Amino acid sequence: EIVLTQSPATLSLSPGERATLSCGASQSVTGTYLAWYQQKPGLAPRVLIYDASNRATGIPDRFSGSGSGTDFTLTISRLEPEDFAVYYCQQYGGSPYTFGQGTRLEIK
Amino acid sequence: EVQLVESGGGLVKPGGSLRLSCAASGFRVTFAWMSWIRQAPGEGLEWVGLIKSRSDGGTTDYAAPVKDRFSISRDDSKNTLYLQIDSLKTEDTAVYYCAVRPSGSWYWGQGTLVTVSS
Repeated sequence: EIVLTQSPATLSLSPGERATLSCGASQSVTGTYLAWYQQKPGLAPRVLIYDASNRATGIPDRFSGSGSGTDFTLTISRLEPEDFAVYYCQQYGGSPYTFGQGTRLEIK
Repeated sequence: EVQLVESGGGLVKPGGSLRLSCAASGFRVTFAWMSWIRQAPGEGLEWVGLIKSRSDGGTTDYAAPVKDRFSISRDDSKNTLYLQIDSLKTEDTAVYYCAVRPSGSWYWGQGTLVTVSS
């Protein structure tokens, strides 16, 4: 099983700042099959990025994903007030699919 | 447009059973690999299991903690995915989501809440 470790657990930033969220895998993720999700309280997760670097439909271009192998990054170039939420990474390169424990992005 | 709508959640006593449904539109479930994911209150996301497309054998795979009690199936005529949960435990209390990646991006439903309590 691939274990995903997200860092930091909590990130405190101000609107307008740049956010960098990391997702490390215990072994190489096949085919860069990694997604990033945003989740707000009471709502289903919203896919932001799939296949490590492809933005999902309707996702603003301030969100970008990068990485391969065991190291992946989600970058939010300039934080908007609506971006403060919990973010998860997920690998789907091999079963069992696994999720990271999440990064909480909070307003500083 | 791909849409997934879960149903079937509710309050169940420990030891009971429940079948969750995920009605799909915008694609055919028979051609897709489909997953169930759950989220306990205040916790993170946990992948539960998947069913492969018919062309890939239609087999299922489960997370280790649930493999003896959970069963995924589909009804191609109803274009619906199911999750059968037996011998429910209090720790199964969660919102259950179905998800699919027909091509490219992922799509999730809105979830259905299962509460296991006496």
